Amino acid sequence: EVQLVESGGGLVQPGRSLRLSCAASGFTFDDYAMHWVRQAPGKGLEWVSGISWNSGSIGYADSVKGRFTISRDNAKNSLYLQMNSLRAEDTALYYCAKSHYYGSGSYPFDYWGQGTLVTVSS
Amino acid sequence: DIQMTQSPSSLSASVGDRVTITCRASQGISNYLAWYQQKPGKVPKLLIYAASTLQSGVPSRFSGSGSGTDFTLTISSLQPEDVATYYCQKYNSAPAFGPGTKVDIK
Repeated sequence: EVQLVESGGGLVQPGRSLRLSCAASGFTFDDYAMHWVRQAPGKGLEWVSGISWNSGSIGYADSVKGRFTISRDNAKNSLYLQMNSLRAEDTALYYCAKSHYYGSGSYPFDYWGQGTLVTVSS
Repeated sequence: DIQMTQSPSSLSASVGDRVTITCRASQGISNYLAWYQQKPGKVPKLLIYAASTLQSGVPSRFSGSGSGTDFTLTISSLQPEDVATYYCQKYNSAPAFGPGTKVDIK
């Protein structure tokens, strides 16, 4: 059974940093691209960042480019999101999501974690 | 950047009704289009990908169509368990979601 478990969220002051983690199990992690998607309270879904199976291709939404860094450790079956210079508008539930197919190419997201809540407030 | 829009933003229909949601991309995206269902308090669920391919386990009353810039999600006979917000997503290049369509029972 595919499981994605996010951690690392919490309350943080504006301008500070936070690192999110996503522990994956139930599939061959290093075969699949992975993504972070966020959802502000009462709002829609926003893609944040994605990383290919081998970390060779990485993308960011314009809203986080230059502030957030995605990475993965295939030996640990883990995905990360380093978030710096946090702003109030980064407050959201952050989901880790798995690409539907393995390898290169563009695919939808077939499994999602339960999310970890990040609140940016003084 | 390619923008995704959806209409309507919300709808209310009776059980058994045929429901149609439209998604439009600001530029052509071929068939790199997925639909997700998010029930209140739950995680998004993949319903349809490649514009018209039903994800495994999804009821056949859901269907998708379209290519290029205009896409449609259809629920052939609305059921109470279909109450949710539905999002389209383009997943070629930088993924992007539509703003969502909230579906309620009348």
